[in-house]
Amino acid sequence: AQKVTQAQTEISVVEKEDVTLDCVYETRDTTYYLFWYKQPPSGELVFLIRRNSFDEQNEISGRYSWNFQKSTSSFNFTITASQVVDSAVYFCALSEVNTGGFKTIFGAGTRLFVKA
Amino acid sequence: DTAVSQTPKYLVTQMGNDKSIKCEQNLGHDTMYWYKQDSKKFLKIMFSYNNKELIINETVPNRFSPKSPDKAHLNLHINSLELGDSAVYFCASSQDPTPGGYTFGSGTRLTVV
Repeated sequence: AQKVTQAQTEISVVEKEDVTLDCVYETRDTTYYLFWYKQPPSGELVFLIRRNSFDEQNEISGRYSWNFQKSTSSFNFTITASQVVDSAVYFCALSEVNTGGFKTIFGAGTRLFVKA
Repeated sequence: DTAVSQTPKYLVTQMGNDKSIKCEQNLGHDTMYWYKQDSKKFLKIMFSYNNKELIINETVPNRFSPKSPDKAHLNLHINSLELGDSAVYFCASSQDPTPGGYTFGSGTRLTVV
């Protein structure tokens, strides 16, 4: 069965610190997709990244980087030199093939506070 | 142009009423979804439609009925509203079968009093 665990409920850092948000997933499928989304205080949900199960290359986008390790079923997200604008709830998500399409489930989210 | 638009943004209503939330996407995506986000921020899928056909129907009370008149629209009708239905409801779309990221609407905050 699909499962996404974000064990960190809340993280608080001071601006310019690096912070890593953990995500561990469970799936029986060999083909699946992993995502990260950001939900800032304004409430909208913003797509950050997608990774498929066959691509374990790490990715860097500006201050954001993602580490995908199938051996540990983890897809962790690191923000380098955090800024106040990074304060948000971050969701990790897993998408598996379902009848007629894909079914995506979300982790419980990690609330990140970045203090000035 | 808004990619996924939901209306209304806020909805306050009394228990027992029937209400609808509308969603439209102009991205040409084939698949649309309804998610419910509770007060603890937990996001749970409710329904998914692919090209107007229901493909995912999670364990949702049958007071909730989705309707997709065409692949650009997915509306959610809720009968006999209960206090526990209070939540933020997000519509989303994606281009399945290979999922890109979802594009979410801005959410509808439903408050049942």
